[in-house]
Amino acid sequence: DVQLGESGGGLVQPGGSLRLSCAASGFAFRNYDMNWVRQAPGRGLEWVSYVSNDVGVKSYADSVKGRFTISRDNAKNSVYLQMNSLRAEDTAVYYCATENRNYGGVFEHWGQGTLLTVSS
Amino acid sequence: DLQMTQSPSTLSASVGDRVTITCRASQNINSWLAWYQQRPGKAPKLLIYKASTLQSGVPSRFSGSGSGTEFTLTISRLHPDDFATYYCQQYNTYSRTFGQGTKVEIK
Repeated sequence: DVQLGESGGGLVQPGGSLRLSCAASGFAFRNYDMNWVRQAPGRGLEWVSYVSNDVGVKSYADSVKGRFTISRDNAKNSVYLQMNSLRAEDTAVYYCATENRNYGGVFEHWGQGTLLTVSS
Repeated sequence: DLQMTQSPSTLSASVGDRVTITCRASQNINSWLAWYQQRPGKAPKLLIYKASTLQSGVPSRFSGSGSGTEFTLTISRLHPDDFATYYCQQYNTYSRTFGQGTKVEIK
């Protein structure tokens, strides 16, 4: 079974940094494009970032561009989100999600999420 | 930027009702549209992709249609498990975008 497990969330002060991790198992991770999606408390889903399976392509939402960096380690079956210059509006549950191999952009499998709270 | 707009924001319905949710894109996205269901406290679940293709394991009471800029998700007969929030999402570009969501609540 496909399993995705996010970790690294917590309480951070505004202006601080944090790195989220997503550990994958049960599938050939190196063949799948990955994404981070977030959901602020009581709000809708917001796509955050994308990385292709070979790290050749990365993209970011305008709201995080220049502050967040996505990366992956195919040897460790993991994808990461380095978040700098954090703001209160970054407070959210962060999900990692795989893309469908045949239909890029379709979020087929999701983790359970990790909560980031940005507050002083 | 490409925007996705869902309507209505909230929908009140009863078990057995037929419900339809609309999603509009601010520009042509062909059929590069997916629908997700999210229950409270849970991760989203993929229902439909390429506008009308049902994900494996999803009940046939769910269906999707549309292309270009206007799309619909229809639930033919509401089941108690279907009271949830539904999101559309475009994947026409590397910058994926979700709609704001439609909450289907019990009337």
